[in-house]
Amino acid sequence: AQTVTQSQPEMSVQEAETVTLSCTYDTSESDYYLFWYKQPPSRQMILVIRQEAYKQQNATENRFSVNFQKAAKSFSLKISDSQLGDAAMYFCAYRSAAPGSQGNLIFGKGTKLSVKP
Amino acid sequence: KAGVTQTPRYLIKTRGQQVTLSCSPISGHRSVSWYQQTPGQGLQFLFEYFSETQRNKGNFPGRFSGRQFSNSRSEMNVSTLELGDSALYLCASSLLPLRVYGYTFGSGTRLTVV
Repeated sequence: AQTVTQSQPEMSVQEAETVTLSCTYDTSESDYYLFWYKQPPSRQMILVIRQEAYKQQNATENRFSVNFQKAAKSFSLKISDSQLGDAAMYFCAYRSAAPGSQGNLIFGKGTKLSVKP
Repeated sequence: KAGVTQTPRYLIKTRGQQVTLSCSPISGHRSVSWYQQTPGQGLQFLFEYFSETQRNKGNFPGRFSGRQFSNSRSEMNVSTLELGDSALYLCASSLLPLRVYGYTFGSGTRLTVV
């Protein structure tokens, strides 16, 4: 069974600075998708960025980028120029792409990010 | 374009009762998934529906059930509520149950069982 681990329960960053959130996963599959979701106090899970395992190039969405290390099974999220609105819970998630797989998201426990003004 | 709508936002029920939660997906989305979020267990997959058929089911007891209607709206039902069922229940919709798409989540229903 696949597992996702986020080793940092809480992180803090100064406004305008850069922070990196860690995520590792365990799988025997070669084809899968990885996601970072943000959950602010409003509770809605918001997709931040998505990475397809077969793509070597790291995904980037504006101030958000990932460092995808497939061999190491690592998928960290870098937030540049942090803003107060980035404060939230961040969840790393895995989704199998194997034929016949369930296809549901498997989440890590989350990292609570605080942004200091 | 309206997002994923979940009703009600908050719910308080007594142990032993049953509850029904509703989810209206984004217009045009045909796949709906349900997740349970608790402080202890985190986010856990309940089930996924596509075209009124349950495609996948997580590891939850039979007290948890769901269905999807022809307009893609989905409901989940929990019978004989237990204190441990207190959680945030999140619904997510996707255009199709294809792995390449990310899900769009609703704001959830906070269920408290007393």
